[in-house]
Amino acid sequence: SQKIEQNSEALNIQEGKTATLTCNYTNYSPAYLQWYRQDPGRGPVFLLLIRENEKEKRKERLKVTFDTTLKQSLFHITASQPADSATYLCALDRQGGGNKLTFGTGTQLKVEL
Amino acid sequence: DGGITQSPKYLFRKEGQNVTLSCEQNLNHDAMYWYRQDPGQGLRLIYYSQIVNDFQKGDIAEGYSVSREKKESFPLTVTSAQKNPTAFYLCASSTRQSSNTEAFFGQGTRLTVV
Repeated sequence: SQKIEQNSEALNIQEGKTATLTCNYTNYSPAYLQWYRQDPGRGPVFLLLIRENEKEKRKERLKVTFDTTLKQSLFHITASQPADSATYLCALDRQGGGNKLTFGTGTQLKVEL
Repeated sequence: DGGITQSPKYLFRKEGQNVTLSCEQNLNHDAMYWYRQDPGQGLRLIYYSQIVNDFQKGDIAEGYSVSREKKESFPLTVTSAQKNPTAFYLCASSTRQSSNTEAFFGQGTRLTVV
């Protein structure tokens, strides 16, 4: 089965800096990869989806890269704000198609003033 | 507003009791899912349904049961056979037409065994 690794240690950065979160996976190459934001006690909220044939995707201050050779995705938040503080989850589609996802454990981001 | 509604937000269960978690969506999505989230672990898939009157076991289905009698509803029953039910339960839905679409999540139900 697919194994996803996200940094379990919290990432603390200063407001205005760029936050970079990492998602590494093993085994098969997914057709697409998604990033979600989760606030404490709430359900995840979709942020971005990137397909296997796309190297980079942007949405406002967010940027995702997808390197199928390294089996890695990087998630960047530029000009970070305290409101960006949350846990960010990486999710991959499962082999065999369909919309079932495998989720990483998430990385907690704290943006300090 | 379209979305997914889970209820209740908090639920307490006594040992040996069955409890049912509600999940309703008005997004007209065919596919619905139940996940369990424990501290330090990723979301784990319990059950999923791609269409009404059909559902499949996920990775950790033992001790759980579901039904899908209506497109809008996908209730999850946590039975007494589930030995460690205390967790945060999340329901999600998505379209079925494409295999690369986002999942919409409810706000979760926190179940505690007392």
